[in-house]
Amino acid sequence: SQTIHQWPATLVQPVGSPLSLECTVEGTSNPNLYWYRQAAGRGLQLLFYSVGIGQISSEVPQNLSASRPQDRQFILSSKKLLLSDSGFYLCARSDRGLGNTEAFFGQGTRLTVV
Amino acid sequence: GESVGLHLPTLSVQEGDNSIINCAYSNSASDYFIWYKQESGKGPQFIIDIRSNMDKRQGQRVTVLLNKTVKHLSLQIAATQPGDSAVYFCAEGAGYSTLTFGKGTMLLVSP
Repeated sequence: SQTIHQWPATLVQPVGSPLSLECTVEGTSNPNLYWYRQAAGRGLQLLFYSVGIGQISSEVPQNLSASRPQDRQFILSSKKLLLSDSGFYLCARSDRGLGNTEAFFGQGTRLTVV
Repeated sequence: GESVGLHLPTLSVQEGDNSIINCAYSNSASDYFIWYKQESGKGPQFIIDIRSNMDKRQGQRVTVLLNKTVKHLSLQIAATQPGDSAVYFCAEGAGYSTLTFGKGTMLLVSP
């Protein structure tokens, strides 16, 4: 199973409020996990990826952070949201390599910062 | 990186036509390529992949062509149906780096 659970599906948050998006995956152990952001009408921007518990790589400097407290849990956080943080956030997994195998995506969280 | 425009390129076709969606990739070291389909409000779904030791791969109603000389990838959809309407992304990658996604193309299928 490549099931990926992401929640919530939709979120409206005021500027300056904190954020916590959670992603859990089922299937094989020690997956590679990813957080992507997609602005309206645009492509996928990789924010963070993790190859193991506690191992986080950041692709883009910003006010977001990620953590992986458990093998199958990946959390995206912010202490203070900005308007520019609005977008569609996608969690993904891959099970063998970083860029030589398919990634499977969750259903996404639509975040609107107001 | 991010796309430079606010609007995705769009391909409009009639139901039953064949569709061809193109993608230019940037890294000559990439050896793995994927096409994804993303319906509105949903996450991208894997369609088909191809490795650099191949030029062509076929699936059900879809064919991916890879031209490494000009770093070009295409997705052909046969007998396009209204349910094929979506945004299509190509992605390139190699074992040492994460996948890099293209800007996406919106496919609109008219009945």
